[in-house]
Amino acid sequence: DQQVKQNSPSLSVQEGRISILNCDYTNSMFDYFLWYKKYPAEGPTFLISISSIKDKNEDGRFTVFLNKSAKHLSLHIVPSQPGDSAVYFCAASAGSFGNEKLTFGTGTRLTIIP
Amino acid sequence: NAGVMQNPRHLVRRRGQEARLRCSPMKGHSHVYWYRQLPEEGLKFMVYLQKENIIDESGMPKERFSAEFPKEGPSILRIQQVVRGDSAAYFCASSPRREPGTEAFFGQGTRLTVV
Repeated sequence: DQQVKQNSPSLSVQEGRISILNCDYTNSMFDYFLWYKKYPAEGPTFLISISSIKDKNEDGRFTVFLNKSAKHLSLHIVPSQPGDSAVYFCAASAGSFGNEKLTFGTGTRLTIIP
Repeated sequence: NAGVMQNPRHLVRRRGQEARLRCSPMKGHSHVYWYRQLPEEGLKFMVYLQKENIIDESGMPKERFSAEFPKEGPSILRIQQVVRGDSAAYFCASSPRREPGTEAFFGQGTRLTVV
């Protein structure tokens, strides 16, 4: 039972363009959502998060949008840079504590083409 | 301030042996989480510990797996009588407190291979 789904296993984007990574979830109890970036042979690195009381959170080149009615969130990276090439995981948690017991998606491998 | 340290980075065990994975959280962090990533899958929550206490072990297999976070020393994930299906990357994360918006920092993982 995959409660957090990333339906695109891979995505290629030209350098300088916008990268849009999508994530869907099924558990309506999720109230905190995070994006992690992972390079090969390394642990995930936190990128950005959003609480369910918001619909947008922005941090530099990264923006996360949340559509609760559709149970959908997306990560926008603009402009995309070669160093952004990595696997991106969407994660969610339920309850009021945010970072506990995260449920991860299967990841999207983003490749930025120079 | 060193990050989350996991060792060993790579561990090879024969079927039936024991595997012990260590995790030293970031300085000042008293909350530790263990996750497992099987090939081509996302990370799956295993257990959440605070010093000397298991808070949530709902993701731990019922047999052969155990975890501890003693008052002194690293957190240990122990797998007894390993089988081929235990081959995976095991990640530890830590955080300083339990409140919204407090991100967890991940270690580089231990890659367990059972032969």
